[in-house]
Amino acid sequence: ETGVTQSPTHLIKTRGQQVTLRCSSQSGHNTVSWYQQALGQGPQFIFQYYREEENGRGNFPPRFSGLQFPNYSSELNVNALVLDDSALYLCASSLAAQGTDTQYFGPGTRLTVL
Amino acid sequence: KQEVTQIPAALSVPEGENLVLNCSFTDSAIYNLQWFRQDPGKGLTSLLLIQSSQREQTSGRLNASLDKSSGRSTLYIAASQPGDSATYLCAVVPGGNTGKLIFGQGTTLQVKP
Repeated sequence: ETGVTQSPTHLIKTRGQQVTLRCSSQSGHNTVSWYQQALGQGPQFIFQYYREEENGRGNFPPRFSGLQFPNYSSELNVNALVLDDSALYLCASSLAAQGTDTQYFGPGTRLTVL
Repeated sequence: KQEVTQIPAALSVPEGENLVLNCSFTDSAIYNLQWFRQDPGKGLTSLLLIQSSQREQTSGRLNASLDKSSGRSTLYIAASQPGDSATYLCAVVPGGNTGKLIFGQGTTLQVKP
């Protein structure tokens, strides 16, 4: 059984650019959630995908968007990057959309915006 | 609006001590509470999950309790070791249709040999 994987590990972009981050969920999990973690803070919920549909969104602007694919892997896209987008981006997968079970996190993608 | 607070923000103890990390939340309407460990620059590792109907969960040297009515949870670590040094985060899943986690800011633990 493979765990949650994310790519790339690190990424450096400049302001105004666009970025795509990828996540492969744990085997058998149909729910993926994305979080943003600024330095020294707890993770903040961006959105969740359940069976390829968005199933809840946090307080993030529309330039944060996502996709979930039939194999339940997922992408996070961020357009028009700003300096404050610099953070660790985490994805988590679980068996149930309602969060009644354990959520398993990937190692994260460290995004730096210059 | 659900808010999660962890106190203290940082803790330093000598090896072998038993310790307690605290987590409080403002709204008792939760599905569950989960404790995580995070090593510097890394992802989160799930330690324990307590469903809203449960009072505690144990795994090895770790014991987590939940008092939903008072909005509190504690993580007890017995016989601490240097390898326990990390940031510990608690998170709640509020009632609703998504499993979004609302996190505290974490307690950074240092266990000195």
